[in-house]
Parts: sequence; C-alpha cells; structure tokens
Amino acid sequence: EVQLVESGGGLVKPGGSLRLSCAASGFTFNSYSMNWVRQAPGKGLEWVSSISSSSSYIYYADSVKGRFTISRDNAKNSLYLQMNSLRAEDTAVYYCARDLEIGLPDYWGQGTLVTVSS
Amino acid sequence: EIVMTQSPATLSVSPGERATLSCRASQSVSSNLAWYQQKPGQAPRLLIYGASTRATGIPARISGSGSGTEFTLTINSLQSEDFAFYYCQQYNNWPPYTFGQGTKLEIK
Repeated sequence: EVQLVESGGGLVKPGGSLRLSCAASGFTFNSYSMNWVRQAPGKGLEWVSSISSSSSYIYYADSVKGRFTISRDNAKNSLYLQMNSLRAEDTAVYYCARDLEIGLPDYWGQGTLVTVSS
Repeated sequence: EIVMTQSPATLSVSPGERATLSCRASQSVSSNLAWYQQKPGQAPRLLIYGASTRATGIPARISGSGSGTEFTLTINSLQSEDFAFYYCQQYNNWPPYTFGQGTKLEIK
C-alpha cells in the first residue's frame, strides 16, 4: 500500500524558516517524481514544486521560487521542502504527492499545516 | 500559465441522480486532464486522468470526457460518499501544472 506521511509543519513567524519532510513507503520511491502541493485554508489546490526521480529536474512555482528548496533522499525514501523567508500567504496545508506520470499526482499524503503568523 | 475554470461553483443534486461538472482550459491541454475528489479534512483522491481513464478503484458510475479545452466529469446514481469538492487539473503545459478553483457537490 502506498503511504506518504508528511511532518514538520507548525507555527512560524514571518521571515522564518521551516523544513517539511515526507516519508514514503509501499512503492519504489526512486522510480517516481514527487511533488509538493499546498492548500490555503478554505481555498483550492496550488502546485508548489516538483523533483524528478534522480533529482535531475526541479521546478518551482513563481510564488516560491528563490525561497523554497525541494530535495529528496532516495536511500531514506524521503522528500523534503526547505522553506525560507516565509510569508503570511504561505499559510497552508502542504501535501506530498507522487506522480503517476509527469505532472500527474496520484497518491497524496494527509498533509501538514504550516501557519505563518506573528 | 494555463487557467482552469470550473463550473458551477456549487452544484446541488439529490442522491440517486446524476451530477455533471464542467472544466474549461484557457488553451488546449489535449487530453492531459485529471479530476480529483476531496472531502473536508482529507487529501485529494485521483478519480480520472487522461480526461477519461478511471484511476484504480474508481467505480464505473464516475466518468470523464472531453479534450482540448472543454471537459466534463459525470457521476451517475449519486451516493452519500460522492458529496465533496471536485478539482480538475491540467498537466499538458507545465510548469506550473494548474488546478481549477473547484466545484462543491452538495446534497439537494
């Protein structure tokens, strides 16, 4: 069974940093591209970042480019999102999601809430 | 960036009836269109990809159609578990891949 479990969310002040993690199991992690997708409270889904299976290709939404860094450790079956210079508008539930094919997430974790507030 | 527009924002349908949800792309996305279902407090669940292919475990009463810029998600014989939010997403031109703003399917 595919499982994705996010952690690392919490309350942080504007300008602060946070590192999210996603532990994957139930599939061959190093064969799949992975994504972070977020959802602000009461709002829709917004793609944040993607990383290819071998980390050769990395993409970011314009809204986070230069502030967020996606990475993965295939030996540990883990995906990460380093978030710096956080803003109030980054407040959201952050989901880790596996790609069925490029750009098409199929399995999603339950999400971790990031709240940016003073 | 391709803009995805869903209609209506809210759809009220009685159990046992059919629901038809629409999604329009600002430019052609070919058949690279997916539909997700999301219930409150839960993660999105992939229903349809390739515009019309059901994901694993999705019942036949849920179907997708369309290509280019116009897409439809149809749910026949609505059951209680179908009342949720639905999002379309294009993965033809990315980054970024983009989602519609969602349709809330509620019980009439």
